[in-house]
Amino acid sequence: EVQLVQSGAEVKKPGESLRISCKASGYSFTNYWISWVRQMPGEGLEWMGRINPSDSYTNYSPSFEGHVTISADKSTSTAYLQWSSLRASDTAMYYCASNLGGEYYFDYWGQGTLVTVSS
Amino acid sequence: EIVMTQSPATLSVSPGERATLSCRASQSVSSNLAWYQQKPGQAPRLLIYGASTRATGIPARFSGSGSGTEFTLTISSLQSEDFAVFYCQQYHNWPPTWTFGQGTKVEIK
Repeated sequence: EVQLVQSGAEVKKPGESLRISCKASGYSFTNYWISWVRQMPGEGLEWMGRINPSDSYTNYSPSFEGHVTISADKSTSTAYLQWSSLRASDTAMYYCASNLGGEYYFDYWGQGTLVTVSS
Repeated sequence: EIVMTQSPATLSVSPGERATLSCRASQSVSSNLAWYQQKPGQAPRLLIYGASTRATGIPARFSGSGSGTEFTLTISSLQSEDFAVFYCQQYHNWPPTWTFGQGTKVEIK
C-alpha cells in the first residue's frame, strides 16, 4: 500500500528554523517526484515545488523559491521541506504529494502537517 | 504563470441533483488538467486527470470534460458524501509552475 506519512504539527516563533518530513512507503521512492503543497487557513492549494529523489534535482514555484528548501534522503525514503527563518505568514497546512501515475497530477497525498508561526 | 479560475465560488445543490463546476485557464493547458475533492480536515483526493479520466476508485457519477482553456467537472447525482470543495489544477507548463484554481465549494441546498 502506497503511503506518505508526514511529521506532526509544529508551533514556532518568527525567525526560527523548521524542517518537516514526508516518509514514503509502498513504492520505489527514487522513481517518482514528490511535491509540496501549501494551504493557508481557509484558502486554496498552492504548489510550492518538487524534488526528484533519485538525484535531488528540484523545481520551485517562483512564489516560494529562496524561502524554502526541499530535500530528500534516499536511505530513509523521506522528503523534507525546510525554512531557515519562519514568518507569521508561513502559518499553513503543508501537504506532500506524489505522482505515481506517471504524469504531473497528484494521486497520493500525505495527511498534512500544520505549521503555526506566532510570537 | 497560468491562472486557473473556477466558477462558481459556491454551488448549492440538493442531494440527487446534478452539479456542474467550471474551470478556466488563462492560456491553453491542452488536456493537462486534474480535479481534486477536499473534505474538511482531509487531504485532497484526486478525482480526474487528463481532463476526463477518472482516477482509480472514483465513482462513475464524476465526469470531466474540456480541453485548452475551458473545463468542466460534472457530478451527475450528488450523494451526501460528495459535498466538499473541488479544485482544478493545471500541470501543463514547463519548467513546472503548476497552479490550482481557487476552489468551488459544493454545499447542501
